[in-house]
Amino acid sequence: QKEVEQNSGPLSVPEGAIASLNCTYSDRGSQSFFWYRQYSGKSPELIMFIYSNGDKEDGRFTAQLNKASQYVSLLIRDSQPSDSATYLCAVKEGGGTSYGKLTFGQGTILTVHP
Amino acid sequence: NAGVTQTPKFRILKIGQSMTLQCTQDMNHNYMYWYRQDPGMGLKLIYYSVGAGITDKGEVPNGYNVSRSTTEDFPLRLELAAPSQTSVYFCASSYSTLTGGASGGTYEQYFGPGTRLTVT
Repeated sequence: QKEVEQNSGPLSVPEGAIASLNCTYSDRGSQSFFWYRQYSGKSPELIMFIYSNGDKEDGRFTAQLNKASQYVSLLIRDSQPSDSATYLCAVKEGGGTSYGKLTFGQGTILTVHP
Repeated sequence: NAGVTQTPKFRILKIGQSMTLQCTQDMNHNYMYWYRQDPGMGLKLIYYSVGAGITDKGEVPNGYNVSRSTTEDFPLRLELAAPSQTSVYFCASSYSTLTGGASGGTYEQYFGPGTRLTVT
């Protein structure tokens, strides 16, 4: 059973701070890693993806991947109240027969307070 | 582009009833997926399809059925609804080239707005 683990939180940070969200996964063959944001009552929307070890930056968001440690994280700089949401980590299986299937973590609730 | 659309938005079923959740995408994506999300949980894959006429089970397929007669449509059928099927259902689609590379040839999934189903 492939597993993706996240701290469910809630994680509370003050406005302007850095929010750090973490995710570990069990399948060493995992190939691609995605971070989705989900506002209450809405569908998930993709905010970052990463394939290679190291950091990937996009605006205020940085995804970090360490395949040896089977660990992926998301940093949100200058956090805003509008960043308050549930953040879902998703991992795509490796191999040509994965058919893009994702395994999701249970999500981390982030609250950014003014 | 409407993206991925789902109907209905909400539905209440009695135990034992059946229904079909509709999902349509207009992005010409070859892959489509059905997930369910229980409160406070992540998404679990019910069924997926890699193209018209080809479907396969995901992690939690029991009590559901799917078909894919066209690229655009991927309906999910619930037979003999049970309270355990109370959940929010999301349909998603993605494009895949199956040509490998760092991403494995499969790109991000786009989600529909969801159907909130209650079985009582």
